[in-house]
Amino acid sequence: AQRVTQPEKLLSVFKGAPVELKCNYSYSGSPELFWYVQYSRQRLQLLLRHISRESIKGFTADLNKGETSFHLKKPFAQEEDSAMYYCALSETNAGKSTFGDGTTLTVKP
Amino acid sequence: DTGVSQNPRHKITKRGQNVTFRCDPISEHNRLYWYRQTLGQGPEFLTYFQNEAQLEKSRLLSDRFSAERPKGSFSTLEIQRTEQGDSAMYLCASSLVVLTGETQYFGPGTRLLVL
Repeated sequence: AQRVTQPEKLLSVFKGAPVELKCNYSYSGSPELFWYVQYSRQRLQLLLRHISRESIKGFTADLNKGETSFHLKKPFAQEEDSAMYYCALSETNAGKSTFGDGTTLTVKP
Repeated sequence: DTGVSQNPRHKITKRGQNVTFRCDPISEHNRLYWYRQTLGQGPEFLTYFQNEAQLEKSRLLSDRFSAERPKGSFSTLEIQRTEQGDSAMYLCASSLVVLTGETQYFGPGTRLLVL
């Protein structure tokens, strides 16, 4: 069965500090991993996906199949990064996504 | 087209009543998903359609839940004989499947409260 674990419910950092949001998964096949973000009073939106290997808003995430992790990182956090972040997994083009329970990131001034 | 829309945005009902939610996906998107989200948890998959065909339903989905996408465009999710445990945010998402994969675009959700 697919499972996504985000061990931190809450994460607080100061502006300019590095931030890492952890995500671990369990899946027997070859997964596709995503990070979604939900800003206050906005809808859930895709932040990045591992196959794109791109940096969005300064965030990057590397899929580590050996450790079954897909941690989200940003070297210098900004106040506007404060939001709820969800890690998700799906089979490639196979439909449903399995989400973690989210991490609330607060970036303090 | 301003994205995925859902109606109503909020619904309060009494236990035992039936409710129906509507989702209008982004035009030309061939897949449509329904998720349920309760407080403190991530979205939980309920079911999805490719065009008008319902391809998968969660094993956790009660028989009281039914979804349709009759013309491959908008979709409805009906909950019969609602229970207090059905109180949640119901999210709809749509996507266009291409060779490189798919990106799900979410609607604002319908918040259901069963009294």
